[in-house]
This record gives sequence, C-alpha cells and structure tokens, in this order.
Amino acid sequence: NAGVTQTPKFRILKIGQSMTLQCAQDMNHNYMYWYRQDPGMGLKLIYYSVGAGITDKGEVPNGYNVSRSTTEDFPLRLELAAPSQTSVYFCASSDGRSGANVLTFGAGSRLTVL
Amino acid sequence: KNQVEQSPQSLIILEGKNCTLQCNYTVSPFSNLRWYKQDTGRGPVSLTIMTFSENTKSNGRYTATLDADTKQSSLHITASQLSDSASYICVVSGFILTGGGNKLTFGTGTQLKVEL
Repeated sequence: NAGVTQTPKFRILKIGQSMTLQCAQDMNHNYMYWYRQDPGMGLKLIYYSVGAGITDKGEVPNGYNVSRSTTEDFPLRLELAAPSQTSVYFCASSDGRSGANVLTFGAGSRLTVL
Repeated sequence: KNQVEQSPQSLIILEGKNCTLQCNYTVSPFSNLRWYKQDTGRGPVSLTIMTFSENTKSNGRYTATLDADTKQSSLHITASQLSDSASYICVVSGFILTGGGNKLTFGTGTQLKVEL
C-alpha cells in the first residue's frame, strides 16, 4: 500500500508564482486534511475535506485553495506565493468520523518562497 | 485558548536508557490524546491514542499515560534504540469539525536524540 503520496517533495517558488501541491491516498478514506508545519510550531490545519465535493477551511486557509473531485485526490493550490508560505506541508487522511480515527500522513512537501 | 505544551524541548540520551516525555494541555472539550513519532523529513506516525477513560496504553517499548483530571500525559520509552531518534508530538483531539472529523491541536514536539 502506498498510503498517502505527496508531490513534489521540494519546490522553490518566486513571490507571486502559483503552484499546486498534489496529494493522493489509496486507502479509500473519506477524510483528508492539509497541514503546514513551521519551525518550532505545531502543525496547523489549512483545509480539510469530509468527502468528494466537500471542503472546509481550517485554522490558516488564507492564500490557499483546495478541491476534492475524487475520493483519492486532494490538491492544495497556492495562487500568489508569499514568503510567509515557506513551510513544510503535510497531507493526511483518515477513515471516519470516530473521534479516535487515526490520521495517516504523507511524507511532506517542503516549499520555499523567495 | 486551546494549547498543547511539551517538555523538554529536546533531549539526548544514551542507547539502552529509558526516558519520559511530558505533555500538558488546555484543550476543551477533550476527545482523545495521541502521541506521534516524526522522523526527520517524514510525516508523523501514530504511536498511541487514548480517550479520557484510559490511563495507560502501550505500543511495544512506548507507554503513554493520561491523567484527564490534571490534563497531563507522558510518553515513556524503554530501552531506547538509535532508531528512536525523532520528534515526538503530543496531539489533543477536541471538538468536532463542521461535517465531521476532529479538530486536532498539535504540540511543538520533543526532539529526542539517542546516542551510542
């Protein structure tokens, strides 16, 4: 099982450029999440989705957009990259509403905006 | 404000020794508490999940404890190995997000290094 796959692993962007971070899972999970991890900080939720066609904002959604056209894929779009978006981004998925559902994380995408 | 605080921030121990990592939280409402291990350059991996009614849970050489009254948790690592070198993150699950799923509050992690 591949689990949660994120691409690219590394990317350098110039201010104002756009890009999409890809996330795919093969576990048929309904719930998918995007987090960012900044140095010395806990992971912060950007956007999440409870199923195909449904997305919601998390704690830090500004500057990002998402879509969920299929159960498997949950891409994160940066429209106008800013230095404040330099971070490591993690996609995660889980299988249900149970409060104890376990999140499976991807390996992360390190983004630098110069 | 919902917060999860971990201590120490970093720790160096010799291989074979035991260690205990601490987690204090102020998250309310409380659903469950999780410990994750994050290797350098990788995503977090779940070690344990405990609800408020569980005092202790083990996963191999990892044993987590929870005191829901004092809002404290600990992760004890026994007979440490070089492969235990990683960041250990305490995560508290709170209220339900719109549409389902849980709002998770992440600690900043304890960076553990195990040396020969």
